[in-house]
Amino acid sequence: DVVMTQSPLSLSVALGQPASISCRSSQSLVFSDGNSYLNWFQQRPGQSPRRLLYRASTRESGVPDRFSGSGSGTDFTLTISGVEAEDVGVYYCMQGTHWPPVTFGQGTRLEIK
Amino acid sequence: QVQLQESGPGLVKPSQTLSLTCTVSSGSISRGDYCWSWIRQNPGMGLEWIGFSYDRGSTSYNPSLKGRATISLDISKNQFSLNLNSVTAADTAVYYCTGGSSSSKIASWGQGTLVTVSS
Repeated sequence: DVVMTQSPLSLSVALGQPASISCRSSQSLVFSDGNSYLNWFQQRPGQSPRRLLYRASTRESGVPDRFSGSGSGTDFTLTISGVEAEDVGVYYCMQGTHWPPVTFGQGTRLEIK
Repeated sequence: QVQLQESGPGLVKPSQTLSLTCTVSSGSISRGDYCWSWIRQNPGMGLEWIGFSYDRGSTSYNPSLKGRATISLDISKNQFSLNLNSVTAADTAVYYCTGGSSSSKIASWGQGTLVTVSS
């Protein structure tokens, strides 16, 4: 199985400040077509997860442009350029390149300082 | 984007079979370029992929479930379902159904349904 390791596991950020979450995979996520099938999800308190980014850096329709993704191979990063109150929740990375199984990171909890 | 809604019993006895249904709207489950997945989340914990149906009926499952899961499509009702047999308390979780392209696998999520395994 591909192990997805996120860091940090929790993050406390002041409003308007940037935040970054790292996601590392135990194998390269580059598929034969050259894409890395790495998704980022946000789960707000009491809600279902919502996809923010796919293929590591493509933003989902309707997602604010303060969210961006980067990386390839085994190292990926989710960056929030300026944290807002509505960004509180847990963030997960997920790989869909090598399956079964599809695997998720442990999650990173974001709170406002 | 497709809309998904889970339904099924909220309480299942140990050793019995957990059965859930996902109703899909704003999209057809017969499309060959989509995966229809089940994912669960133990209370306060992370996300575990159970399995998916893809390519109009092929299936793939998480090996950790040791063959206990079955996912099937009902194209006439635009629904897909999950059966998980021989359940124990460890199967207590919020169960989500999801849909996504065959490349990215998981995009849209249902609201989730809590299933408790208890006698």
